Amino acid sequence: AQKITQTQPGMFVQEKEAVTLDCTYDTSDPSYGLFWYKQPSSGEMIFLIYQGSYDQQNATEGRYSLNFQKARKSANLVISASQLGDSAMYFCAMRVPRRRGGSEKLVFGKGTKLTVNP
Amino acid sequence: DGGITQSPKYLFRKEGQNVTLSCEQNLNHDAMYWYRQDPGQGLRLIYYSQIVNDFQKGDIAEGYSVSREKKESFPLTVTSAQKNPTAFYLCASSIIPDSYEQYFGPGTRLTVT
Repeated sequence: AQKITQTQPGMFVQEKEAVTLDCTYDTSDPSYGLFWYKQPSSGEMIFLIYQGSYDQQNATEGRYSLNFQKARKSANLVISASQLGDSAMYFCAMRVPRRRGGSEKLVFGKGTKLTVNP
Repeated sequence: DGGITQSPKYLFRKEGQNVTLSCEQNLNHDAMYWYRQDPGQGLRLIYYSQIVNDFQKGDIAEGYSVSREKKESFPLTVTSAQKNPTAFYLCASSIIPDSYEQYFGPGTRLTVT
């Protein structure tokens, strides 16, 4: 069964420093996708970054990068130069391939609460 | 501006009453999804729809119902059969059912007492 594990319930980082949020996944499908979403206190889920299982390069989007280690089944999010506005919940998710008659869907981890201190 | 709207932001109901949560999108997306989020948990899929007049159960569909009569709208009804309805409900859409990116609405926080 597909599963996402985020082992850090909470993380603290000083403003302007880098922080890594851990994510490990479990799947037997050769084709899959990994996502990171940010959820501020308002509740909306904001897409940050995506990594496909066949992508050779680690994904980057501005201050966000995804450290993809396929053999270890890990997809850690690195936020460089943290800002106060980065304080939020962060969710790792995996795209589960289509099954007969179904659609692709996302499986989410339990999240990590990041607090950026001034 | 294109996006997904969910209303209301906060909803209160008495136990035993059905309640319908609204989700509207003007992104012209074919696929729409409903997720439930409980405290300290990630999102779990309730229902999804790939096209108008078609929808499938997700992982936790019991006690919920949906309809997809228009491309823009995917309302979720929380019935009295749902044992623990108090939760945060998020609606999402994607361009096509297999698109890797889902866009989320702001969510509705439902409290049932």
